[in-house]
Formats: sequence, structure tokens, C-alpha cells
Amino acid sequence: AQSVSQHNHHVILSEAASLELGCNYSYGGTVNLFWYVQYPGQHLQLLLKYFSGDPLVKGIKGFEAEFIKSKFSFNLRKPSVQWSDTAEYFCAVNAQDTGRRALTFGSGTRLQVQP
Amino acid sequence: DAGVIQSPRHEVTEMGQEVTLRCKPISGHDYLFWYRQTMMRGLELLIYFNNNVPIDDSGMPEDRFSAKMPNASFSTLKIQPSEPRDSAVYFCASSRDFLEQFFGPGTRLTVL
Repeated sequence: AQSVSQHNHHVILSEAASLELGCNYSYGGTVNLFWYVQYPGQHLQLLLKYFSGDPLVKGIKGFEAEFIKSKFSFNLRKPSVQWSDTAEYFCAVNAQDTGRRALTFGSGTRLQVQP
Repeated sequence: DAGVIQSPRHEVTEMGQEVTLRCKPISGHDYLFWYRQTMMRGLELLIYFNNNVPIDDSGMPEDRFSAKMPNASFSTLKIQPSEPRDSAVYFCASSRDFLEQFFGPGTRLTVL
């Protein structure tokens, strides 16, 4: 079964700093990839998704992610974070070939942006 | 659309009691998912339905957990009897094509 690893459990940044959150998955076949965000006290919201095509995906609020197939990675980036980006970020994977119509989520990375 | 609706938002109960969580998916979405979120285990898929039919319940922790979807606009997750280790936030999500999932606000369950 596929698994998703988010190695950074807690990240603290100052406003305007650049962000990169790591996500690695363990599946050798074709995948669909997602980043979700959970703001304090709120539900999960889709930040961006990758199905195929350009491996550099742009999402909402200035976030982007790059799919690197050779590294089984889908890292999330933002050039300049804001205090309002404080949230928990989840990477998720669906393995297309398995026929399983579900996502596997990583354990999440808690981002704290200090003003 | 109002989005995915879950009730109750908070539930506090005593060990041994039955707990029922409710979910109304977004209209037109054929997939419905139940997740559990804890500090220790993160976000886990419990079960999902397609067109009201349970497809994969391999994530349901044990027989104390059961889920139903009697129609396209309603699903329940029941825990009977509840135990303190069931304390978590339970999310319902729905999707048109299972890929882009829309989450509800969650039910925070505390079992004393």
C-alpha cells in the first residue's frame, strides 16, 4: 500500500520568509497528488493538485508545488509567507493503478508564521 | 451550495455510550468519505461510499464502528460502545470523482 511522508512536523518562519514543505510518497506507478490546508479551527481545504502535465503546479494564495517523479516527491513552496498562512498542511496521494478510489494523507506539517 | 454539513460539531459522552455522527454531502457528489484525525495517527480514512454503497471499510478500526448511507444526501457513523481511545475529530468529505474532496467542519468527539 502507498504511504506518504512529511518529514517536517513543525515549521516556524518569520513573515516574508520562503517556505518549502517536503512530501514523499512510496508508490512506483502513476499518482495523483494533492496539498490540503487546515487553518486553525477550520476544515481541510484543497490548496492545489497534480494529475498530469506540467510538473510545476500553481495553487491558491501564491502556493505552488513541484512533482519530481524520480524523487517520488511533491514539495510545496511559497516565496514569501504571511502570518495568515499559519495552518497545518497535508500532502495526499492517490495511486491510479490500484483502483482504490481514496487518498492517503501524510501526517501533516504545522506551519507557524511569526509576524 | 452550503458545502458538506456535519453534526454535531462537538460531542462529549461517557464510555460505553452510543455515538452517532451525521453527514450531509454536497448535492451531486457520488463519493462520501469518513476520516478520523488524531494527534498520534494523523488523518485516517475509515470508510468510503460510492453511490451510497460502501466500497472500502478496511479503515474501520473494529466492529464497534459502523457506517451507513441510506440515501445520497445522508450518512451516519456510529460507535457502539464508545471508548476513550475513540476521542478524535471525525471528518466527512464528499467528491464528484473521488479525487478532489470537499471536507466538512468535523465533529470533535470526546469520550470520558
